Amino acid sequence: GAVVSQHPSWVICKSGTSVKIECRSLDFQATTMFWYRQFPKQSLMLMATSNEGSKATYEQGVEKDKFLINHASLTLSTLTVTSAHPEDSSFYICSATTNGFNQPQHFGDGTRLSIL
Amino acid sequence: GENVEQHPSTLSVQEGDSAVIKCTYSDSASNYFPWYKQELGKRPQLIIDIRSNVGEKKDQRIAVTLNKTAKHFSLHITETQPEDSAVYFCAARVNAGKSTFGDGTTLTVKP
Repeated sequence: GAVVSQHPSWVICKSGTSVKIECRSLDFQATTMFWYRQFPKQSLMLMATSNEGSKATYEQGVEKDKFLINHASLTLSTLTVTSAHPEDSSFYICSATTNGFNQPQHFGDGTRLSIL
Repeated sequence: GENVEQHPSTLSVQEGDSAVIKCTYSDSASNYFPWYKQELGKRPQLIIDIRSNVGEKKDQRIAVTLNKTAKHFSLHITETQPEDSAVYFCAARVNAGKSTFGDGTTLTVKP
């Protein structure tokens, strides 16, 4: 159980394009979803936390107008990278967790974004 | 906020030997400590976790110990195998809040 599906797994697009990444919890209700960015050989950098039906909470230094997050249902959150530029190229990973004391995070497979 | 330090950054062991990775955290309110294994280009996978009311937890070849007083926790892998080679991340969290991750340890198990 506890499967998180993330799509697409790989995106290559031109500079200036907006890219949407979806994160779905397939067999549980994800009350909270997290979006991370990971550079090669580095740790997971938290970008934002989203709770179903609420506005996302962004980490310091993350532009909320650049990285739009929507968590409209208990099974779906989306991250839209608006007007993407080469410096936005990275590995983006979502994770989901459910209510309850110390529930583990379940990660999606990640999306490798390459902006030309 | 929480600060998690992880050591070593790289670790190379011979197949069959044990591997130990250590993490320290700063926020005494943290009460949940998961460990993740991430293979190249793949998702982090939870391999074991421990809650603050427990000092040690074991699952076959993997064990985690927690010292709340010293604010450190460790991952122990015994009888290592080549397929254990990956990057391992520790994390610390307060209740249902966000996790703070360590910088990762690249474990290489030589056949």
